[in-house]
Formats: sequence, C-alpha cells, structure tokens
Amino acid sequence: DGGITQSPKYLFRKEGQNVTLSCEQNLNHDAMYWYRQDPGQGLRLIYYSQIVNDFQKGDIAEGYSVSREKKESFPLTVTSAQKNPTAFYLCASQTGGGTDTQYFGPGTRLTVL
Amino acid sequence: AQSVTQLGSHVSVSEGALVLLRCNYSSSVPPYLFWYVQYPNQGLQLLLKYTSAATLVKGINGFEAEFKKSETSFHLTKPSAHMSDAAEYFCAVSDRGADGLTFGKGTHLIIQP
Repeated sequence: DGGITQSPKYLFRKEGQNVTLSCEQNLNHDAMYWYRQDPGQGLRLIYYSQIVNDFQKGDIAEGYSVSREKKESFPLTVTSAQKNPTAFYLCASQTGGGTDTQYFGPGTRLTVL
Repeated sequence: AQSVTQLGSHVSVSEGALVLLRCNYSSSVPPYLFWYVQYPNQGLQLLLKYTSAATLVKGINGFEAEFKKSETSFHLTKPSAHMSDAAEYFCAVSDRGADGLTFGKGTHLIIQP
C-alpha cells in the first residue's frame, strides 16, 4: 500500500535533548511538508521541501531543522532551541502543484518532560 | 498573505440534523480550498477540494461545500449528521504553489444522539 509513515507514534524526551522524527513516503511525491499541531491552533507549517537537497522555512521554523537527502524521506529534528516542543507533528506530501492533494501521515506525538 | 477563519471552535448537532461548518478565507490570488477531517490522534484525510472548476464540490461521506467568491467563503455541509461524523474539521487554502497549506484553527464537530 502506498502512503506516508511516521515513527514513532509517541515520543518522550527530556528537556534539552534533540530528537528526530521520521517521515517516509512511497507515493513518489516530489514535495514534503512538516506541520505542528497544538490544541485550538490548527496546523502550522514548519518546513517544506519541493525537491531533493532543497528545503524552505515555513512559518515556525525556529528551533527545528530538516534534511532531504532522498525523495522518500524528510526527517525533522526538534532541537533544544525549540522553546515549546511538546506537540503533535504531522508530515505530508504531494506531487507538485497547488491543486494536488496533500496526503498526511498518522503523526507523532512528542512530549518533552 | 493568505488566511483562513473557521467560525466556531465547537459545533454540536443532533444525529440526523444538518451539519454546517463555516470557513472564510483571504487570499491575494484565486485560491484553491480544501476541507480535511481528523479523527483523534490520527492524521488528516481529505474530504473535498475546490480548484476553480465547479463551485459546488462534492466530497466523501456525503459532505459538500460551495465556493462563494463574493463572500470569500467555502462552507462545509452535510444534510444528515451521523455519529461517525464526530471529528475535527479543518479548512485550508493554497496559493496555487507547492509551498504548503494555510489552515484554519479547526472546528470540533459533536454529534448528539
């Protein structure tokens, strides 16, 4: 089955530690995205990548980093510089232009203790 | 810049009643508009999208939405609510590129028996 996988489903980390969230897609999509979801806030764009080895900051990139070494993979690192990292993180992908549907993974819930 | 406003963070309807979830947008270019549904602790699933073809768009699970340019609205409706419709609903806008969606804050739909 084609789709987007995110791992792990739940992640716990101590304050001050960096943590990397995995996102893999087998849909052959060019563009990939990371969103952060907080209760009552909707989804906010962290980073996106339209092609391999290229990515752009979204609205709330501070304290996060990404890489896009392979078309299928777009990992997100939450660094210790992120002041409020506890949230639900969603990865998405789409083929290209704005009419295309963004498909979402199941999400990773990160809790920083 | 584009933005989305969803009126009502919570909407409660009786089973069998009409569902109406409101979405207003602002965009500097003719927009593409989307409605997504999210069940607890899951990713987002596309309900329907408007991409400048027919202004009345039909989606999955009996939902539909009408694009009204003069009102800058894209409200979501369903004639008869079902218990399984209880979820979080997000309206989103794209500026026709592949640089991410802008989401509203979401509306939690509650179905009363």
